[in-house]
Amino acid sequence: IAGITQAPTSQILAAGRRMTLRCTQDMRHNAMYWYRQDLGLGLRLIHYSNTAGTTGKGEVPDGYSVSRANTDDFPLTLASAVPSQTSVYFCASSPTGGPAGTWDTQYFGPGTRLTVL
Amino acid sequence: QKEVEQNSGPLSVPEGAIASLNCTYSDRGSQSFFWYRQYSGKSPELIMFIYSNGDKEDGRFTAQLNKASQYVSLLIRDSQPSDSATYLCAVKAGNNRKLIWGLGTSLAVNP
Repeated sequence: IAGITQAPTSQILAAGRRMTLRCTQDMRHNAMYWYRQDLGLGLRLIHYSNTAGTTGKGEVPDGYSVSRANTDDFPLTLASAVPSQTSVYFCASSPTGGPAGTWDTQYFGPGTRLTVL
Repeated sequence: QKEVEQNSGPLSVPEGAIASLNCTYSDRGSQSFFWYRQYSGKSPELIMFIYSNGDKEDGRFTAQLNKASQYVSLLIRDSQPSDSATYLCAVKAGNNRKLIWGLGTSLAVNP
């Protein structure tokens, strides 16, 4: 693995089903993030985690949950999918330290395209 | 409400010209500023960041920051058709690890 991986690449899901989007990074970054990107609305933060064992709510957390059991993995779960959750989902991570500015830099995974019917 | 604003475009420039992309932000206490490039169907990728007033150059790219006027810009010299993408501006404000994102400017470089 190099960087951030996400799975699946794309998924079509029936409304009401449960779905977990997976995100794994091998850069030992402390902070991780989940975004959704919709046309005209840009990147919106769903949940984030500053370090393993902690999580926080972003701008649009309703209907989503996350966990951070270890440094590398940050899964996003849709408990009961609805059509409004159709979107492209990006996972990102930030390094622990370094020169000013570098620890805020976010690196993105390739994304998951989710369609809820 | 902290905001980051960008002209949505599309900005169209001929090949070889300088493309100028602008971003304004509302929080005067913002600390770090980022430019990302996003090709259609792909994820955002970092071009560069800047945190001090003035210019920062990296190859054909120059970021310019003016904290007094609350704007940050990205200049792309010798624009190439491969630079055609959406450019996202992001700003870190406050003591958390979150970034505030603009909606992006679409750039088209015409051969």
